[in-house]
Amino acid sequence: AQKITQTQPGMFVQEKEAVTLDCTYDTSDPSYGLFWYKQPSSGEMIFLIYQGSYDQQNATEGRYSLNFQKARKSANLVISASQLGDSAMYFCAMREGDSGAGSYQLTFGKGTKLSVIP
Amino acid sequence: NAGVTQTPKFRILKIGQSMTLQCAQDMNHNYMYWYRQDPGMGLKLIYYSVGAGITDKGEVPNGYNVSRSTTEDFPLRLELAAPSQTSVYFCASRAGDSHYGYTFGSGTRLTVV
Repeated sequence: AQKITQTQPGMFVQEKEAVTLDCTYDTSDPSYGLFWYKQPSSGEMIFLIYQGSYDQQNATEGRYSLNFQKARKSANLVISASQLGDSAMYFCAMREGDSGAGSYQLTFGKGTKLSVIP
Repeated sequence: NAGVTQTPKFRILKIGQSMTLQCAQDMNHNYMYWYRQDPGMGLKLIYYSVGAGITDKGEVPNGYNVSRSTTEDFPLRLELAAPSQTSVYFCASRAGDSHYGYTFGSGTRLTVV
């Protein structure tokens, strides 16, 4: 089974509108972290936002917020007031193994390509 | 600037050739990782290291080797390159005491023809 599932290969959003990118995850580890990265056409990986499994409140970073629903194993990214520069690939990722001496590797989903329309 | 430096940025290899992708970080991070990203896909872990002298396989290690003789450097070796190794390779590092402080290099785009 996939550990990170992003079901939207591509999304379109009108400039200045909000958009939600979906991410579901699968883990039996009680301690884990969830990440969203942006990858523009230039190729670099840009960290956007982080949510720890024990964090009580949803994470927010400027126009980005993470809608964390632990019981549903869902960690959707919400981008408010979309801008043309938001057009990029977006990846959800998970880190497991906080409970022991693990690799703390990130496991990535397949990504969602977001296109912002003027 | 502090960070993760990958060289080269681009490379074309012929089938059967070998090469080493270089990765260096100057943040004294214990953890280092090599990922590959195939077109239109997410990143998959090739190898990782939790400190100098310690390496282990990730999800897709076949055809690759790594070494970690120093904290700073984590080179990835490709032996007998195959077209299936055409990909973008990312190196990343993480401090031991940070839950979310991963730093990625800018990537190496490798084409095997």
